[in-house]
Amino acid sequence: NAGVMQNPRHLVRRRGQEARLRCSPMKGHSHVYWYRQLPEEGLKFMVYLQKENIIDESGMPKERFSAEFPKEGPSILRIQQVVRGDSAAYFCASTPADRNTGELFFGEGSRLTVL
Amino acid sequence: DQQVKQNSPSLSVQEGRISILNCDYTNSMFDYFLWYKKYPAEGPTFLISISSIKDKNEDGRFTVFLNKSAKHLSLHIVPSQPGDSAVYFCAASGLDNAGNMLTFGGGTRLMVKP
Repeated sequence: NAGVMQNPRHLVRRRGQEARLRCSPMKGHSHVYWYRQLPEEGLKFMVYLQKENIIDESGMPKERFSAEFPKEGPSILRIQQVVRGDSAAYFCASTPADRNTGELFFGEGSRLTVL
Repeated sequence: DQQVKQNSPSLSVQEGRISILNCDYTNSMFDYFLWYKKYPAEGPTFLISISSIKDKNEDGRFTVFLNKSAKHLSLHIVPSQPGDSAVYFCAASGLDNAGNMLTFGGGTRLMVKP
């Protein structure tokens, strides 16, 4: 029973390059959430998606960041023209339905380092 | 504007004693509260939760207390074990949130000394 799968676990990019982070939710889960953890800080909500729909992107930076969750395949968090301040751990979480127990099931995270 | 705050960045406790981690919130719309535990280089894992209709929830060595009037919750771990050493995040969700969106506190690093 695979949990939430994120890849890559570690990603190194130079300033100006693009970063793509992938998340496959738990089996049977159709809702995906992306969170970012900056060094020595808590987790900050970025975006909430269902299949083919962005439900809430209030935590996404207005520029360079985008997310999708296509009908087939994993959810993708895309960061264009990365800057050093994008260095963080990006966590994906999933749930089976809208507002069940409130619990999110997290993946192990993707750690982005921007040189 | 931090809606969920954990004012103690770290806590050190002797093995076998009680660990008390605190969390304060400001949003009156929060109706469900959770604690997550996180080890280095891993994702957060769910520990225990409490609905706003309760003031206490217990699961083995872990008990969460909710004081709605004070907008305060706490996690008690007793007895504390070295394996409990981790970062603990308090989180909250509310009726004004989409889906299961959680707002997290900044975390408290618990160190349990043998």
